[in-house]
Amino acid sequence: QVQLVQSGAEVKKPGSSLKVSCKTSGGSFSSFAVSWMRQAPGQGLEWMGGIIPIFHTPNYAQKFQGRITISADESTDTAYMEVISLRSDDTAVYYCARGGLPRDYYYMDVWGKGTTVTVSS
Amino acid sequence: EIQMTQSPSTLSASVGDRVTITCRASQFISTWLAWYQQRPGEAPQLLIYEASALQSGVPSRFSGSGSGTEFTLTISSLQPDDFATYYCQQYKTFGAFGQGTKVEIE
Repeated sequence: QVQLVQSGAEVKKPGSSLKVSCKTSGGSFSSFAVSWMRQAPGQGLEWMGGIIPIFHTPNYAQKFQGRITISADESTDTAYMEVISLRSDDTAVYYCARGGLPRDYYYMDVWGKGTTVTVSS
Repeated sequence: EIQMTQSPSTLSASVGDRVTITCRASQFISTWLAWYQQRPGEAPQLLIYEASALQSGVPSRFSGSGSGTEFTLTISSLQPDDFATYYCQQYKTFGAFGQGTKVEIE
């Protein structure tokens, strides 16, 4: 079955940047949206943005416009999210998830296990 | 952007109770709504999509209803595994989540 495998935990300094990866295995990659969410400690889920690889154009929540870049590499079935100018309140678990149907953003039926990111001086 | 509001934020209940969680969208989303369950330390899991369709493998005690801007998730008889946090998510326009409802033991 389809699995999403995320990169490992990171510890970052304030002001630095972060790039998290999410590799799809066991299923089609290019036609399905990959969304990125984050969850700060004790808080809820935030949809940050996503990409449908065959359309190449990422979509971002207004809050994160200008500070994140989402991309996809169809040759490796891997999606990426880069966050710049990290602050302590970017400390969170970052999840990727795949849309349940192709060619648009739908409910998300497959999730990665999450990447823990700690921003601290 | 579409905003999602859940109520209550926390719900105390006992095993066997019927539980209802409400989700409201800031604009019309038809039935483009999903519900997820998240246990501590785990990734969310899809329960319901298209407002009322049960995801494969999810117990039938979970049900969803609603359309337009008002939605509900109902657990007909709460089981020990169900104490968790529940999120609604709209997908009419990309994705936005409600703030979550924690179901805790009374």
